Amino acid sequence: SQTIHQWPATLVQPVGSPLSLECTVEGTSNPNLYWYRQAAGRGLQLLFYSVGIGQISSEVPQNLSASRPQDRQFILSSKKLLLSDSGFYLCAWSPRGTSGSYEQYFGPGTRLTVT
Amino acid sequence: AQSVTQLDSHVSVSEGTPVLLRCNYSSSYSPSLFWYVQHPNKGLQLLLKYTSAATLVKGINGFEAEFKKSETSFHLTKPSAHMSDAAEYFCVVRALGSSYKLIFGSGTRLLVRP
Repeated sequence: SQTIHQWPATLVQPVGSPLSLECTVEGTSNPNLYWYRQAAGRGLQLLFYSVGIGQISSEVPQNLSASRPQDRQFILSSKKLLLSDSGFYLCAWSPRGTSGSYEQYFGPGTRLTVT
Repeated sequence: AQSVTQLDSHVSVSEGTPVLLRCNYSSSYSPSLFWYVQHPNKGLQLLLKYTSAATLVKGINGFEAEFKKSETSFHLTKPSAHMSDAAEYFCVVRALGSSYKLIFGSGTRLLVRP
């Protein structure tokens, strides 16, 4: 069966510091991968998605970037964190090439607090 | 543009009573619809999905949802609430013409009273 991991689970970082969040998927190949942010009391915002190694699409302009160095690894980064980057970050995957089924499967999330 | 509207931001039920979480969607064609659940500080878990097969969809943990095209609704139900059902529930629709983009409702927080 497929599993998705995220780490760290929680992170407290000062403003201006760098960020690296990691997501890995097991039990599947060639997945689509996604990064979402969930701000307190708000819905989910899609930040990035990837359909393959090195292929990253950004949904919103922001202080963040994403990379996919391996098929089942997705990294979210920032060079300098802002207070507004605080939130709950969720990684998700979906099968590639499905016919009629587009569900996404989410990881456990990373709680980021920027101080 | 497509959207989903969750009609209640909070729903409170007593343990053992039925649950109804309401969702309406806007779409000009038969959409792919999903319900997800999120417990505090956890990721989202897929409860069930509708992809134009049976209109009554059964999911995990005793939940089910019925797709009603005439009412553009996809309400989530459960016959008997359990304390462990207390969580945030999201109704989600796949964006038209996209194989990756999901549109999330604003969420309904379910409270279960003992």
